[in-house]
Amino acid sequence: EDKVVQSPLSLVVHEGDTVTLNCSYEVTNFRSLLWYKQEKKAPTFLFMLTSSGIEKKSGRLSSILDKKELFSILNITATQTGDSAIYLCAVRNSGGSNYKLTFGKGTLLTVNP
Amino acid sequence: GAGVSQSPRYKVAKRGQDVALRCDPISGHVSLFWYQQALGQGPEFLTYFQNEAQLDKSGLPSDRFFAERPEGSVSTLKIQRTQQEDSAVYLCASSLGPGSGNTIYFGEGSWLTVV
Repeated sequence: EDKVVQSPLSLVVHEGDTVTLNCSYEVTNFRSLLWYKQEKKAPTFLFMLTSSGIEKKSGRLSSILDKKELFSILNITATQTGDSAIYLCAVRNSGGSNYKLTFGKGTLLTVNP
Repeated sequence: GAGVSQSPRYKVAKRGQDVALRCDPISGHVSLFWYQQALGQGPEFLTYFQNEAQLDKSGLPSDRFFAERPEGSVSTLKIQRTQQEDSAVYLCASSLGPGSGNTIYFGEGSWLTVV
């Protein structure tokens, strides 16, 4: 059974700080790892990672995957109050159920002004 | 519409009541998913449709849960004889196709509280 563990479960920072969110996984036949941001609405897609060592970047957010050590990190630099949200990590396998996402519990990030 | 639309957004049900949750996926999306998200947890897979065919219902927690997508577009998740442990956000998602390269788009969820 695929498994995703995120840490920390919650984090409180001040505006301007840099944060690193962690995601480790166990997947049979790994296909991809995805990051979502969830405010009090729909989880919105951030990144999909399939290859080790290649950083994906979007503005102040970036993410990288390590397929040898089975983890990914999501970095947010110069945090803003609007970054406050739950950040979800999910994995997808390449087997018969490759349509299915297995999520971690998420990291609740609070950015204070 | 532009995104995945779900209704109702909020539902309070008395224990034992039946509820029906509706999902309008993005137009043209073949794949449709239902996930359940309890408080403090990540979303958990319930069921998957490809067009009108329900290909996987392995995540449905009991036979009180039933989902359908009769015309391959709108889907309904029905929960019979609701119990308190059914209280959760029910997220619908859709994607262009089943391939793992397709982004999965989520709706805002239906928040169910069973009292």
